[in-house]
Amino acid sequence: DAKTTQPPSMDCAEGRAANLPCNHSTISGNEYVYWYRQIHSQGPQYIIHGLKNNETNEMASLIITEDRKSSTLILPHATLRDTAVYYCIPMGRQFYFGTGTSLTVIP
Amino acid sequence: GAGVSQSPRYKVAKRGQDVALRCDPISGHVSLFWYQQALGQGPEFLTYFQNEAQLDKSGLPSDRFFAERPEGSVSTLKIQRTQQEDSAVYLCASSSHRSSGGVYEQYFGPGTRLTVT
Repeated sequence: DAKTTQPPSMDCAEGRAANLPCNHSTISGNEYVYWYRQIHSQGPQYIIHGLKNNETNEMASLIITEDRKSSTLILPHATLRDTAVYYCIPMGRQFYFGTGTSLTVIP
Repeated sequence: GAGVSQSPRYKVAKRGQDVALRCDPISGHVSLFWYQQALGQGPEFLTYFQNEAQLDKSGLPSDRFFAERPEGSVSTLKIQRTQQEDSAVYLCASSSHRSSGGVYEQYFGPGTRLTVT
């Protein structure tokens, strides 16, 4: 299973875009990249996933590099409720969450 | 509709006691997963069911851990002779997708926080 590297923490001003990077250089050609987040004391919540093309839904946008070795999750207008730990997960045999990025949205 | 529910939300056990943690998945979801989350860490996979069949139990840390899903809906994670290192949040997730090896969008419950004293 591919492993990931994410910055341990980031801050973002409320209303600004939050860009969360993830390195997954060992990802296989047919492995999707999933993003989840976990708000304190809750279970993880699905955000978005993609394979090669950029994806957008009501929560976020996902930009995947052409070589698929990295991706960026974009929260276009961060709110205080977006404060959470964000996990980048290549879809393998199992979900490997790692330690994620703790995003703090600052008022 | 109703999401994934887990009970109890909190459990305190004395070392050596047996505990049983329950998961009610979303109705009709085929796949069910259990995870263990230690403080400050991401969730770690324990085991996976497709209907009543336990297809992957490679993440169970020892033979003291046992999971079942006899009718393909509700699941129970049992830990025998609990140890302090078992203290963690135990998360259950379900998915409508059949997964023979990969994983798909999963819906998580709130977890059960187990404290072993």
